[in-house]
Amino acid sequence: KAGVTQTPRYLIKTRGQQVTLSCSPISGHRSVSWYQQTPGQGLQFLFEYFSETQRNKGNFPGRFSGRQFSNSRSEMNVSTLELGDSALYLCASSSGVRRETQYFGPGTRLLVL
Amino acid sequence: DAKTTQPTSMDCAEGRAANLPCNHSTISGNEYVYWYRQIHSQGPQYIIHGLKNNETNEMASLIITEDRKSSTLILPHATLRDTAVYYCIVRAGGLNTGTASKLTFGTGTRLQVTL
Repeated sequence: KAGVTQTPRYLIKTRGQQVTLSCSPISGHRSVSWYQQTPGQGLQFLFEYFSETQRNKGNFPGRFSGRQFSNSRSEMNVSTLELGDSALYLCASSSGVRRETQYFGPGTRLLVL
Repeated sequence: DAKTTQPTSMDCAEGRAANLPCNHSTISGNEYVYWYRQIHSQGPQYIIHGLKNNETNEMASLIITEDRKSSTLILPHATLRDTAVYYCIVRAGGLNTGTASKLTFGTGTRLQVTL
């Protein structure tokens, strides 16, 4: 099986812009979770989608949003970018039916200037 | 999910076994112990998980104490490619169709494998 894929791998934006990141889960997986990793805060949970519904949300402002499509692919959007949004954004997929193992993608590195 | 405590860093000589400890003294009965590792700037890689019995796979072995308050990840023959940050995570398991899959990462152990 192909692993979790994320696009783009690298992105440079300026403050105030918005960005959309994409994640394709492992075939057959219905749950997609998003995480943000920064040097200061480490790996932090953003939100999880299962069957096109947000099932859980971390402690991030409303500028961070996501969605999931019927084929389980997911996108996350960050609006009004701030310098502090510079981070590695990781997506992980699992079957979602039980608390199965999550498998991570390579991440998208976002730099906000 | 229970909190874990890991040493900040460890060194290991190549070819030797690397034993990475993790304390999870507040673990509850339905919580599993998971181990992931993250090689610099890559996504975390799943290694192994267990509930109460020792587990082994092609990557590592997981030893969980009888009281389940601590565990040790063993890489039997460490190589330079095993240099990474290793995360020990405890999370509830079991059949639970309505529950989210959030993983709570701590700061992990930075393992440096040297020649």
